[in-house]
Amino acid sequence: KAGVTQTPRYLIKTRGQQVTLSCSPISGHRSVSWYQQTPGQGLQFLFEYFSETQRNKGNFPGRFSGRQFSNSRSEMNVSTLELGDSALYLCASSLAWSTEAFFGQGTRLTVV
Amino acid sequence: GESVGLHLPTLSVQEGDNSIINCAYSNSASDYFIWYKQESGKGPQFIIDIRSNMDKRQGQRVTVLLNKTVKHLSLQIAATQPGDSAVYFCAERNPRNTGANSKLTFGKGITLSVRP
Repeated sequence: KAGVTQTPRYLIKTRGQQVTLSCSPISGHRSVSWYQQTPGQGLQFLFEYFSETQRNKGNFPGRFSGRQFSNSRSEMNVSTLELGDSALYLCASSLAWSTEAFFGQGTRLTVV
Repeated sequence: GESVGLHLPTLSVQEGDNSIINCAYSNSASDYFIWYKQESGKGPQFIIDIRSNMDKRQGQRVTVLLNKTVKHLSLQIAATQPGDSAVYFCAERNPRNTGANSKLTFGKGITLSVRP
């Protein structure tokens, strides 16, 4: 069974640009969550989608958005990139609420 | 507010010894806890989970203990191996968060270093 797949693995963007990251969950998983990981803040929750609906959102500005498609694949978008957005962005999928979440390898975003 | 923290930032153990990684959580409403292991350049890897109606759960070489009275979670690794070297995170899920579904709150992480 394939794991969670995130693309691209690495990305370098310039301040002010926007970026879209993709996540394909484990087959059969309907819940997808996104996290930002930085050395200073650790792992912070961005948002969670279930059946194409955003169910929960973390404390991030509106520049961070996401969506989920009918096949459970998810994308997150960051507009007007700032230097502080440089981080490892992780996607996790799970069957449903309160079941174990499995993470992808992440997308390393560097904003210059 | 809710917070999940780890007592020690680093832990160094001798290969073959047992490791104990501790985690304190502050939200008594949390009902589900997970331990993750993260190796360099990789995403967090699920190790073991435990629900709040249990106080102990065992996996392969790992045991998670939950003490709800003092809001403490620990991960025990038996016969620690070099491959166990990684950053370990505890995470909690609070079902009473507004709109909460799969949101996990993570601790800061502790580095386990295994000496050969």
